[in-house]
Amino acid sequence: KQEVTQIPAALSVPEGENLVLNCSFTDSAIYNLQWFRQDPGKGLTSLLLIQSSQREQTSGRLNASLDKSSGRSTLYIAASQPGDSATYLCAVSTGNQFYFGTGTSLTVIP
Amino acid sequence: SAVISQKPSRDICQRGTSLTIQCQVDSQVTMMFWYRQQPGQSLTLIATANQGSEATYESGFVIDKFPISRPNLTFSTLTVSNMSPEDSSIYLCSVKGGGETQYFGPGTRLLVL
Repeated sequence: KQEVTQIPAALSVPEGENLVLNCSFTDSAIYNLQWFRQDPGKGLTSLLLIQSSQREQTSGRLNASLDKSSGRSTLYIAASQPGDSATYLCAVSTGNQFYFGTGTSLTVIP
Repeated sequence: SAVISQKPSRDICQRGTSLTIQCQVDSQVTMMFWYRQQPGQSLTLIATANQGSEATYESGFVIDKFPISRPNLTFSTLTVSNMSPEDSSIYLCSVKGGGETQYFGPGTRLLVL
């Protein structure tokens, strides 16, 4: 069974700093990987989707990379802002099933 | 993209009662997914709901406890039956959009006393 791990579980950084969130998965036979943002008590907002054939995707200050063979993905956030404070989840798809990590809780301090 | 709404957004229920959660999508989709997110934990898939057929349940979830309806391509309901405090969670529905992106509703926060 696919297992998804996210490190660190929590992260606190000063505003303006660049940061990296990590996601690892045990089975490299994935269809795609998706990064989400979840604000407290709310649903999930899709940030970036990387297909298994892709190496990275970018959206604004966000850049996600995928190394399928090593079972790793990173989410890079440039010039962090207090509004980036949220929990970030990665999820891998094996087709119809998504497996979620436990998330990284990010706090950006003004 | 897909826009998903859920009702109710939150509820407080008594032990032993049932609650039906509604999920509405702004476009026709083949598959809809129901997830549970228990406090402090990540998402766990409950079942996949296809229009015109029985829902497919994941290990640990059964139809008697979580009956699902899927009457058309834009709507689904999940019922949490005979609730106990352990059912207190956020329940989320989701769909797959173009390019395989998964979209989520805002969630239903359930507290069982």
